[in-house]
Amino acid sequence: EVQLVESGGGLVKPGGSLRLSCAASGFTFSSYSFNWVRQAPGKGLEWISSISPSGTFIDYADSLRGRFSISRDDAKNSLYLQMHSLGAEDTAVYYCARDWGAARPQGVDYWGQGTLVTVSS
Amino acid sequence: DIQMTQSPSSLSASVGDRVTITCQASQDISNYLNWYQQKPGKAPKVLIYDASNLQTGVPLRFSGSGSGTHFTFTISSLQPEDVATYYCQQYEDLVSFGGGTTVAIK
Repeated sequence: EVQLVESGGGLVKPGGSLRLSCAASGFTFSSYSFNWVRQAPGKGLEWISSISPSGTFIDYADSLRGRFSISRDDAKNSLYLQMHSLGAEDTAVYYCARDWGAARPQGVDYWGQGTLVTVSS
Repeated sequence: DIQMTQSPSSLSASVGDRVTITCQASQDISNYLNWYQQKPGKAPKVLIYDASNLQTGVPLRFSGSGSGTHFTFTISSLQPEDVATYYCQQYEDLVSFGGGTTVAIK
């Protein structure tokens, strides 16, 4: 069974940093691309970033480029999102999402349950 | 950036009604479009991929059509379990989602 389990969310002060993790199981992690997608409370879905197998291709939403960094560790079957200079607008549920695209992102077939990040003083 | 405009933002229909949601892309995206369903408190689920292909296991009452800049998502006979928010998503240039359409039962 495919499972994606996010962790690392929580309360962070404005200007702070946070690293999210996503532990994957039930499939060959190294063969897939992944995305981070977030959803602010009561709002729609916002794509953040994607990473292809082996990290060959990495893409970011223009509005977040420079503050967020995606990475993967195939030996640990894990995906990461490093976030810096956080503001209230970054408060959201962050989803780890497996992509069916071989290189560039195409679509998500499996999602994690999400981890809530709250930016507040 | 490619902007995806969904309409309406919300709708209310009776059980058995035909429901249609549209998604307009700010530039030609060919058929590089997917549709997702998100129920309250849950992660999204893909229903339609590449504009018109039904994901395995998805009921036949769901369908999608369109290409270029104009796309349509249809529920042929609305069921109580279809209450959810629906999103379109393009992948012609990176990824972006539409604003969502919340479907309720009248």
